Amino acid sequence: GENVEQHPSTLSVQEGDSAVIKCTYSDSASNYFPWYKQELGKRPQLIIDIRSNVGEKKDQRIAVTLNKTAKHFSLHITETQPEDSAVYFCAARKYGNKLVFGAGTILRVKS
Amino acid sequence: SAVISQKPSRDICQRGTSLTIQCQVDSQVTMMFWYRQQPGQSLTLIATANQGSEATYESGFVIDKFPISRPNLTFSTLTVSNMSPEDSSIYLCSVEDRGRDMNTEAFFGQGTRLTVV
Repeated sequence: GENVEQHPSTLSVQEGDSAVIKCTYSDSASNYFPWYKQELGKRPQLIIDIRSNVGEKKDQRIAVTLNKTAKHFSLHITETQPEDSAVYFCAARKYGNKLVFGAGTILRVKS
Repeated sequence: SAVISQKPSRDICQRGTSLTIQCQVDSQVTMMFWYRQQPGQSLTLIATANQGSEATYESGFVIDKFPISRPNLTFSTLTVSNMSPEDSSIYLCSVEDRGRDMNTEAFFGQGTRLTVV
């Protein structure tokens, strides 16, 4: 089955800097890669996702890139703000299968 | 996009007892998912609940410990049976529905924080 690895486990950045979180997956048939943000005590919420027919997707300050050959995808947050502090989870799956989540990254944005 | 109500939001239970968690969705969905999130950990799928059939459990989870009901297309329950302190965790229900860009995405309930003493 699918296995997703996520790095780093914690990331501290200065406000205004960029943050990058990376995930690798094992099943080459996976075709959907979402990213979730979970603030303390709250539910995970989708912030961006990418499907295997595109290599990059951007939404304001966040972007996701996908390299299907290398089986990895990354989340990029630019101009980080204190409210970006949260736990971020990547996930992967192929159509009809369950979502498999990475271990999570604690992002701390220092002001 | 689906709106999910989950209750209770938290509970403290005695070991050996059982707790039933309810999940209500504001639209009809084919599958509902139950996850466990242990403290500081990722989300692990417990089972998938389909209306009209038995739930499908993931490796390491069994029906006797986590019985699930799915009486209709908008509601499901997860019971944590014969609890021990190791069951202390956050339990989340989830559904898939069309998101803001009209593609399917997963939505989560607010979670049930369970502490077993």
